[in-house]
Amino acid sequence: DAGVTQSPTHLIKTRGQQVTLRCSPKSGHDTVSWYQQALGQGPQFIFQYYEEEERQRGNFPDRFSGHQFPNYSSELNVNALLLGDSALYLCASSIKNQPQHFGDGTRLSIL
Amino acid sequence: AQSVTQPDIHITVSEGASLELRCNYSYGATPYLFWYVQSPGQGLQLLLKYFSGDTLVQGIKGFEAEFKRSQSSFNLRKPSVHWSDAAEYFCAVGESDNAGNMLTFGGGTRLMVKP
Repeated sequence: DAGVTQSPTHLIKTRGQQVTLRCSPKSGHDTVSWYQQALGQGPQFIFQYYEEEERQRGNFPDRFSGHQFPNYSSELNVNALLLGDSALYLCASSIKNQPQHFGDGTRLSIL
Repeated sequence: AQSVTQPDIHITVSEGASLELRCNYSYGATPYLFWYVQSPGQGLQLLLKYFSGDTLVQGIKGFEAEFKRSQSSFNLRKPSVHWSDAAEYFCAVGESDNAGNMLTFGGGTRLMVKP
């Protein structure tokens, strides 16, 4: 039973570019959440998708957007990248009333 | 707004010694509380969770945590630490009506284990 898988594992971009990160949830899960973890800090909630709609959003600008597909997989898009966007981006999946399961993340570096 | 504080940024213990990691939360309703562990370069693994009922919860890898409402705390404990427990530990609080909803994490505690 595969857990949460994220791709790519590492990514290097330059300021102003756009990036797309991908997440496949654990089998049987229908909800996907995205978190940003800056170096030395705890993860911060970006947003959550359920039934292909954004259900909750944290304190992140509109440059951060997402999508959920009918097979429950999800994408995180970040436009106009800033140096401060360098972080580990974590995807977590869940199903109602069950704890979130996390992937190993995508390490994004902005030059 | 909910928040989580982990007062200890770093903790070093000797292998075989006992461990307690502190977590204090701020949340208006009944909280859903979690402890996750993160090894270098990896994602978060759930150690244990508290939703309701018995305030002492058992988790994986020999960890336990105690929910104390009066102190707004959810401290993680282990009676005997192994070298493989060296990692970063995060306490988190979730909304009470759906455990899968957004989690608010503390800043983490980095555990180092001396041989």
